[in-house]
Amino acid sequence: AQSVTQPDIHITVSEGASLELRCNYSYGATPYLFWYVQSPGQGLQLLLKYFSGDTLVQGIKGFEAEFKRSQSSFNLRKPSVHWSDAAEYFCAVGNAGGTSYGKLTFGQGTILTVHP
Amino acid sequence: NAGVTQTPKFQVLKTGQSMTLQCAQDMNHNSMYWYRQDPGMGLRLIYYSASEGTTDKGEVPNGYNVSRLNKREFSLRLESAAPSQTSVYFCASSEVRAGGSPLHFGNGTRLTVT
Repeated sequence: AQSVTQPDIHITVSEGASLELRCNYSYGATPYLFWYVQSPGQGLQLLLKYFSGDTLVQGIKGFEAEFKRSQSSFNLRKPSVHWSDAAEYFCAVGNAGGTSYGKLTFGQGTILTVHP
Repeated sequence: NAGVTQTPKFQVLKTGQSMTLQCAQDMNHNSMYWYRQDPGMGLRLIYYSASEGTTDKGEVPNGYNVSRLNKREFSLRLESAAPSQTSVYFCASSEVRAGGSPLHFGNGTRLTVT
C-alpha cells in the first residue's frame, strides 16, 4: 500500500529565511507526486506536481521540489519565505499507472509559521 | 469561474441524524472525489467516481454513501451520523488523461456531530 510521511508536524521560520519541508513516500510503482497548500478555512491549492522527466520541478509562489527516487523523497523548498506563506502544506502520492489519478494518498501535513 | 462548489459550508448534526453534502464542478472533469480531513491525519479518501455512472469505495467508506447525479454533481450522504464523523469534508475533481491530472478542491464543509 502506498503511504506518505511528513516528518515535521510544525515548522517555524523567520521571514526571508530559506525553507525545506520534507516528504517521504512508499510506493511500489512509478508515483505521481504533489504538494498542496491549505490556508485556514480554505480548500487545498496545488503548488506543484511531478509526473516524469526533470526531477526538479517548479511551482507557483516561488516553490520548487526535487524528486529523489533513491531516497523516496520529494522535498519542498523555497529560498526566501514570505509572511503570506504561513499555511499547512500537504505532500501526496498517486498512481501513475491507473485511470483514477485523483486517488491520492496524503501525508499528515506540516504547519508552517512565519515570524516577522 | 466557480471551480468546485460545496454546500453547506458548516453543519451541526445530532447523533443519528442524516444529511447530504452537495458538490458541483463546472470544469467538465470526469472524476470526482470525497475526502475527509482530520487533524494530524491529512486527507483520507471516502469515495470516488472515476466517471459518470460509476462510484467506488476509498480508504474510509463506512457510514457513507455517494451518488454521482450527473457529470457535474457528486453528493455524499451520512445516513445516521456519529460523533466519529465530525470532520472537514472536501470534494474534489480531476480530469482523467495520460500524464496525470491534479485534484481541484472545493472549500470544504465543516461538520460537527454531537
